[in-house]
Amino acid sequence: GAVVSQHPSRVICKSGTSVKIECRSLDFQATTMFWYRQFPKKSLMLMATSNEGSKATYEQGVEKDKFLINHASLTLSTLTVTSAHPEDSSFYICSARDPGLAGNNEQFFGPGTRLTVL
Amino acid sequence: AQSVAQPEDQVNVAEGNPLTVKCTYSVSGNPYLFWYVQYPNRGLQFLLKYITGDNLVKGSYGFEAEFNKSQTSFHLKKPSALVSDSALYFCAVRPRGYNKLIFGAGTRLAVHP
Repeated sequence: GAVVSQHPSRVICKSGTSVKIECRSLDFQATTMFWYRQFPKKSLMLMATSNEGSKATYEQGVEKDKFLINHASLTLSTLTVTSAHPEDSSFYICSARDPGLAGNNEQFFGPGTRLTVL
Repeated sequence: AQSVAQPEDQVNVAEGNPLTVKCTYSVSGNPYLFWYVQYPNRGLQFLLKYITGDNLVKGSYGFEAEFNKSQTSFHLKKPSALVSDSALYFCAVRPRGYNKLIFGAGTRLAVHP
């Protein structure tokens, strides 16, 4: 099956610094990737849709300048949390769709990145 | 507004008993329906999906789900629960023609020995 990886799996940073999280599709090319944020014991909140070769589409209420998304290739999307603050601490999950799969219905999720901002 | 409801925050089941995790949705048209499972500090794992056809869908790890169009429900079931099934379960819907998944709030399943 399609595999999506994330790096790092866990990161701790100081307030005011920037953190980059990578999402890779390992065995397929993903023209579209998605970034979610999950609070403890809560559902996933879609932050943005990352489109290869074009600007990301952000959900309402998500700060574009705070959460920078770059989809530089068909297998890599990055989320950069700029000037991180403790309230940005969360579990960030990416997913990708495999356009080569029949029906193209399913999203494959990465293992998540735990961000802790001190 | 389009939404997915998982009315139970937690479901408790004894090992060996059948389990049901409920999901209803409010989405126009005939959406794609999904169930995912999440273990602590992990991403989501796909369990099963309904696209069209037979209302009973079989998925991974012995799980199945029943689609009911009139009730707009897609309840997750398993005939005999295992302790290892204890996890967080998410129902999700993708309206046809849209890229995005709409998630329910999640239901924590606790299977007791």
